[in-house]
Amino acid sequence: NAGVTQTPKFRVLKTGQSMTLLCAQDMNHEYMYWYRQDPGMGLRLIHYSVGEGTTAKGEVPDGYNVSRLKKQNFLLGLESAAPSQTSVYFCASSSTGGEAGELFFGEGSRLTVL
Amino acid sequence: GQNIDQPTEMTATEGAIVQINCTYQTSGFNGLFWYQQHAGEAPTFLSYNVLDGLEEKGRFSSFLSRSKGYSYLLLKELQMKDSASYLCAGMDSNYQLIWGAGTKLIIKP
Repeated sequence: NAGVTQTPKFRVLKTGQSMTLLCAQDMNHEYMYWYRQDPGMGLRLIHYSVGEGTTAKGEVPDGYNVSRLKKQNFLLGLESAAPSQTSVYFCASSSTGGEAGELFFGEGSRLTVL
Repeated sequence: GQNIDQPTEMTATEGAIVQINCTYQTSGFNGLFWYQQHAGEAPTFLSYNVLDGLEEKGRFSSFLSRSKGYSYLLLKELQMKDSASYLCAGMDSNYQLIWGAGTKLIIKP
């Protein structure tokens, strides 16, 4: 059972470089999310999607873009990386967006921006 | 504003019981979640409470008091593998999750 898969697992970027994180889920979930996790802080929602072709901004969307061209994939892009974007990024999916919508997380992508 | 508060770190002994508290302030309320996260790994779902009271699931139980904006996670018969961070998250009226910073639980033999 693959569940939620993120690639790459680790990446080091220089300031100003761009990159894309890929999230794939095989559970046919409608909802997908991108979070970042920083020391001493709770998970913060960057962007989310409630279905194929839809995206919406979360709590901290600036500096990131997303796309959901296929139901199973949710891409997170950094157009011009900044040191403040050094973080661990988690993708998650759920079958519903409402109550009892258990989130299934990927293993995380550790990004360092120098 | 919206806020989730939980202790930063707790220590307990193998075989004992530990209670991790969480207080929440959300705009509206659609439930309270607990997740477990081992170091370097993804969070995994433990429990969901939307009504007042205690939900028991094996060695883990979760309690909710909506009037007090309070929840706790109770872990019994602690095992070394329970060493992890425990994340509390409240769901607001827009069904968005507000996450606490997590409680790191250290289990000692």
